[in-house]
Amino acid sequence: TAGITQAPTSQILAAGRSMTLRCTQDMRHNAMYWYRQDLGLGLRLIHYSNTAGTTGKGEVPDGYSVSRANTDDFPLTLASAVPSQTSVYFCASSDATSGDYNEQFFGPGTRLTVL
Amino acid sequence: GIQVEQSPPDLILQEGANSTLRCNFSDSVNNLQWFHQNPWGQLINLFYIPSGTKQNGRLSATTVATERYSLLYISSSQTTDSGVYFCAVDGGSTLGRLYFGRGTQLTVWP
Repeated sequence: TAGITQAPTSQILAAGRSMTLRCTQDMRHNAMYWYRQDLGLGLRLIHYSNTAGTTGKGEVPDGYSVSRANTDDFPLTLASAVPSQTSVYFCASSDATSGDYNEQFFGPGTRLTVL
Repeated sequence: GIQVEQSPPDLILQEGANSTLRCNFSDSVNNLQWFHQNPWGQLINLFYIPSGTKQNGRLSATTVATERYSLLYISSSQTTDSGVYFCAVDGGSTLGRLYFGRGTQLTVWP
């Protein structure tokens, strides 16, 4: 199976423009997450969704929005990009149906540069 | 949120050497995962280990939840082991979110 796919692989974006990063998983996991990775800081949670139709804010949500219309897709939107949003973005998912939020799996990442 | 500290921050080894990476965390956790980020940036799941000991080939991990630490052992290291090793823990108010440490950068020379 493909697991988690992300698109695009990389993107250069002019400041002030909007962009949507796409994430699709085929594992039927109910929980999905967006993280950003910045040099020396590890990964930090932007937004999460515990199930289709619900979303929540993570540690660094400002400037980002998400939606979860169905189980498989979890797009991340930057409404008006700023240079500080230059980062590598990872989408992840886990199977939370048992009540324990189990092992998370990560997509390949999207490298975004905002100029 | 939970604080996650990894040590050492950098590690340089000769091929064939053994190493131990440590992860300390500041509060009780439900889950703990170890990842390897390869030079291409992919995050590869190594262990899902909230407690106990697991082994997978040359790698093994031990988590002592009551003492709030986990250890990752790499034996007979190979150049392909190079990359950044991350520890991440769950347990915050946002169920399922992972708190990541800053990683250990491992370089294995032939």
